[in-house]
Amino acid sequence: AQSVAQPEDQVNVAEGNPLTVKCTYSVSGNPYLFWYVQYPNRGLQFLLKYITGDNLVKGSYGFEAEFNKSQTSFHLKKPSALVSDSALYFCAVRDYGYSTLTFGKGTMLLVSP
Amino acid sequence: NAGVTQTPKFQVLKTGQSMTLQCAQDMNHNSMYWYRQDPGMGLRLIYYSASEGTTDKGEVPNGYNVSRLNKREFSLRLESAAPSQTSVYFCASSEAWRTWENTEAFFGQGTRLTVV
Repeated sequence: AQSVAQPEDQVNVAEGNPLTVKCTYSVSGNPYLFWYVQYPNRGLQFLLKYITGDNLVKGSYGFEAEFNKSQTSFHLKKPSALVSDSALYFCAVRDYGYSTLTFGKGTMLLVSP
Repeated sequence: NAGVTQTPKFQVLKTGQSMTLQCAQDMNHNSMYWYRQDPGMGLRLIYYSASEGTTDKGEVPNGYNVSRLNKREFSLRLESAAPSQTSVYFCASSEAWRTWENTEAFFGQGTRLTVV
């Protein structure tokens, strides 16, 4: 079975500070990992993905994520947060050999001016 | 380029009524999916279609049926709506979903359904 956990319901950060949104996963094989963002009353937008290769993955809007196999984590990061980054963030995982994508419950990111 | 288009955007149903949610994609994607989003639950897969002509159950299929009408269109039907089906429904598509391939999914804007 595959699963993903986002341990924080909400993350608060001041504009200009670095941000981290946490994600841990569980798979039996090799994981394929994704981050999506959802703005109010909108669908999900793809941010970045890890398939293989470099553990640090760069994506849209200045976001990046670090894959850590030993800690089974895929945390989303950004060096300097913007108020416009405030949104709901979803981590998702698919185990190699599975046909479906499993999402975490989401983390609300609030960036204050 | 419209991407993934869902209709309607909003709907209110009475318990026991039926309706079909429509989804179309113009990206020539092989795979399509229906998710529901509930507060604190994240997104849960209802049904998916890995390729034209196939459909499979996801995590929460009870009370729903689907039809992959052609490569572009994938509809979700509620035969007898229940208040527990009040949710936001998202359709998504991706280029390929063979197990060794990995492409991201593209989502529609969602349908907000209320069953009273």
